Amino acid sequence: DTEVTQTPKHLVMGMTNKKSLKCEQHMGHRAMYWYKQKAKKPPELMFVYSYEKLSINESVPSRFSPECPNSSLLNLHLHALQPEDSALYLCASSQGWTGGREKLFFGSGTQLSVL
Amino acid sequence: QKEVEQNSGPLSVPEGAIASLNCTYSDRVSQSFFWYRQYSGKSPELIMSIYSNGDKEDGRFTAQLNKASQYVSLLIRDSQPSDSATYLCAVKREYGNKLVFGAGTILRVKS
Repeated sequence: DTEVTQTPKHLVMGMTNKKSLKCEQHMGHRAMYWYKQKAKKPPELMFVYSYEKLSINESVPSRFSPECPNSSLLNLHLHALQPEDSALYLCASSQGWTGGREKLFFGSGTQLSVL
Repeated sequence: QKEVEQNSGPLSVPEGAIASLNCTYSDRVSQSFFWYRQYSGKSPELIMSIYSNGDKEDGRFTAQLNKASQYVSLLIRDSQPSDSATYLCAVKREYGNKLVFGAGTILRVKS
């Protein structure tokens, strides 16, 4: 089973709303990631959690707040977003080694539109 | 200079031909290299990984790595219309969790 599940698949929100994106994996992976992908652009790394600790924050604005409640779950809390934040948000997981050879597996993504 | 560079394409090949996709990277400490396929509106799907110089074959796919030239490629034999997608090259250092993607090459296989 190499499945990473993301919910919701689509989300429309206003600039004053608060919403959360959820990601779940049951592969025993200990590293989880949030990527943002704009249309016709490559995925851009936002956050990495390794063994439930935030290990990488790519200078993401504070209106994006990640949370890793346990090794299987990853959330991304959204507040006061801007229209330019509209994008496909991808969750990924990997085994959690830092040796470099581990593979990332992506969920199907949440297509976010900010009005 | 971008960390990972790919020709954006589109690369058009006839059905049954070999498609050759190329990628260069700038960071010499990069150790792991991946090819992802992404269909329009879908998430990236891992199709190949390569870590050592030389060729690695998996079905119709062959990945090639030359660390001295900082070059990695993907060959797709007997290309099918279903191979039409964006192919993303991704590079990772020996340590750490950061995977960096190239901009992707659009492949179109015409029947």
